[in-house]
Amino acid sequence: GENVEQHPSTLSVQEGDSAVIKCTYSDSASNYFPWYKQELGKRPQLIIDIRSNVGEKKDQRIAVTLNKTAKHFSLHITETQPEDSAVYFCAASSGKNSGGYQKVTFGTGTKLQVIP
Amino acid sequence: DTGVSQDPRHKITKRGQNVTFRCDPISEHNRLYWYRQTLGQGPEFLTYFQNEAQLEKSRLLSDRFSAERPKGSFSTLEIQRTEQGDSAMYLCASSPSRSMNPRSGELFFGEGSRLTVL
Repeated sequence: GENVEQHPSTLSVQEGDSAVIKCTYSDSASNYFPWYKQELGKRPQLIIDIRSNVGEKKDQRIAVTLNKTAKHFSLHITETQPEDSAVYFCAASSGKNSGGYQKVTFGTGTKLQVIP
Repeated sequence: DTGVSQDPRHKITKRGQNVTFRCDPISEHNRLYWYRQTLGQGPEFLTYFQNEAQLEKSRLLSDRFSAERPKGSFSTLEIQRTEQGDSAMYLCASSPSRSMNPRSGELFFGEGSRLTVL
């Protein structure tokens, strides 16, 4: 099955600096890579995703890059703000499952702290 | 609120007791998932329903765990003879079928049901 590793487990940055979170995956068939943000006591929510037919995607201060050859993908947050403080999970999915759904395998999470 | 709802939000039980959690997905979503999340870990897949059919179960789901979605709407997750290792947050998520939204793979999570086994 798929295995997703995520680093670092904790990350502290000064407000306004950039934050980078890196993930690797094992299943070369994976073709969908979402990122979820989970604030303390809240549900995980999708913030950005990327499919294997693109190498980079950007949405305002958030960008994700994908290197299929190396099987790694990264989340970049620029101009960080205190409200970016949360746990971020990367995930990978191949879509090769019964019923045609995409079984999503999550990384272990990165706790981001943005210091004002 | 038309999001995914879960009940109860918190459950404290003694070892050996049975517990049941309920999930009400977003009404137009035919796919429903159960995940388990422990402290410092990402959500771990437990099982998946498409409409009323349970199409996949993780090896994490021992025979003490059973999930149902009898009418293809709400789902229940029952844990029998609870053990302390079952203590976790149980997350339910739903998503639309590909025919409804072919480009999206987004999972819509509920707030979770936190189980504490004493």
